[in-house]
Amino acid sequence: GDSVTQMEGPVTLSEEAFLTINCTYTATGYPSLFWYVQYPGEGLQLLLKATKADDKGSNKGFEATYRKETTSFHLEKGSVQVSVSAVYFCAFHNNAGNMLTFGGGTRLMVKP
Amino acid sequence: DTGVSQDPRHKITKRGQNVTFRCDPISEHNRLYWYRQTLGQGPEFLTYFQNEAQLEKSRLLSDRFSAERPKGSFSTLEIQRTEQGDSAMYLCASSSNGQANYGYTFGSGTRLTVV
Repeated sequence: GDSVTQMEGPVTLSEEAFLTINCTYTATGYPSLFWYVQYPGEGLQLLLKATKADDKGSNKGFEATYRKETTSFHLEKGSVQVSVSAVYFCAFHNNAGNMLTFGGGTRLMVKP
Repeated sequence: DTGVSQDPRHKITKRGQNVTFRCDPISEHNRLYWYRQTLGQGPEFLTYFQNEAQLEKSRLLSDRFSAERPKGSFSTLEIQRTEQGDSAMYLCASSSNGQANYGYTFGSGTRLTVV
């Protein structure tokens, strides 16, 4: 069935380190792919998206490229700050359905 | 527009009681979704409305759960005879037709604790 697999956390980095959070998906058709971020006690905020193969989504220094051949959508950021400490969720929306399917989330902790 | 609003933010209830949550979506969004998120997990789909019609329900939505969107605007999610396993964050989201593939807008959620 449809699913999203993310690397387990927590991921602990020092400030200015490079971030990668891996995400792979299993879906039929040609899904749209998303990264959402959740800060403590809050709902989910859309971070970035890509709607077709080879698209690169980007926002606030975060990037992810839609790789259809490897069914992946890895999140990257060149230099992290303490302020981006949060839980990150990879998700997809299948064009044939009416729902987002989420991964289990990856907690990121950035230390000064 | 202030985004998607959910009320209450927190609810503590005794096992066996009924609870009702409210969601006010972005006014021009005709699609509304309910998700449940347990601690340390990703959100799981519960149900979806297009205008006032409930078009899809997850197997997670047992008979004790009911959702309505009577006028195609706000929605309510009711849980009857609550159980401890119902403790979770209940998230509401909305989107417009043709924009669902571009992401949903989520509310801040209602955290339910059943004691």
